[in-house]
Amino acid sequence: DIQMTQSPSSLSASVGDRVTITCQASQDISTSLNWYQQKPGRAPKLLIYEASNLETGVPSRFSGSGSGTVFTFTINSLQSDDIATYYCQQYHDFPPFTFGPGTKVDFK
Amino acid sequence: QVTLRESGPALVKPTQTLTLTCTFSGFSLSTDGMCVSWIRQPPGKALEWLALIHRDDDKYYNTALKTRLTIAKDTSKNQVVLTMTNMDPLDTATYYCARTLRVETTVITGPHRKPVYYYGMDVWGQGTTVIVSS
Repeated sequence: DIQMTQSPSSLSASVGDRVTITCQASQDISTSLNWYQQKPGRAPKLLIYEASNLETGVPSRFSGSGSGTVFTFTINSLQSDDIATYYCQQYHDFPPFTFGPGTKVDFK
Repeated sequence: QVTLRESGPALVKPTQTLTLTCTFSGFSLSTDGMCVSWIRQPPGKALEWLALIHRDDDKYYNTALKTRLTIAKDTSKNQVVLTMTNMDPLDTATYYCARTLRVETTVITGPHRKPVYYYGMDVWGQGTTVIVSS
């Protein structure tokens, strides 16, 4: 199975900051990667699909990039509503789907 | 509006079999590209995908858990059922079902054409917490 890693595991930032999370796959997954946001006590929400495509209704401050084994998720100007844990998930080598361990984003 | 709702026991004993039902509305599992997945999340830990069923009744399972899992659908009732046998305290988690879209495209490399699939879990249920304890 393809293993996914994320860095950092957690970060603290201020409102308006640019936040960047990296996701790495254990082998080439092309652009077969999604990003999810999970707020405390809530179900995950799909934000980015196929590495760089914004899901309908998701604010444009969120973006994704990358291909192959290294991917980046960015929040351009952190808002209070963005406090959450973010997960990457690959579907290139399915089954199974595999998720990264998550990156927790909170306020400084 | 697409919604999914998980239901099942909140408490099961070790070695018992867990049966969870996902009841959904706003889409049909007979529609092209439609699937439903089950995912779980132990307390304070990451998401773990468990199983997927496609509209064609193709079934896929987590590699490590596939001997314990069975997924089935009842298209007429808009339900997907997951059973997990031989429950253990380590299976304590919140269990989610999610609509999963499968989109097929074709990659052409020289004379060769290869199907490539996109998957996205675009709508999730609220989750149901299952505790495994004697």
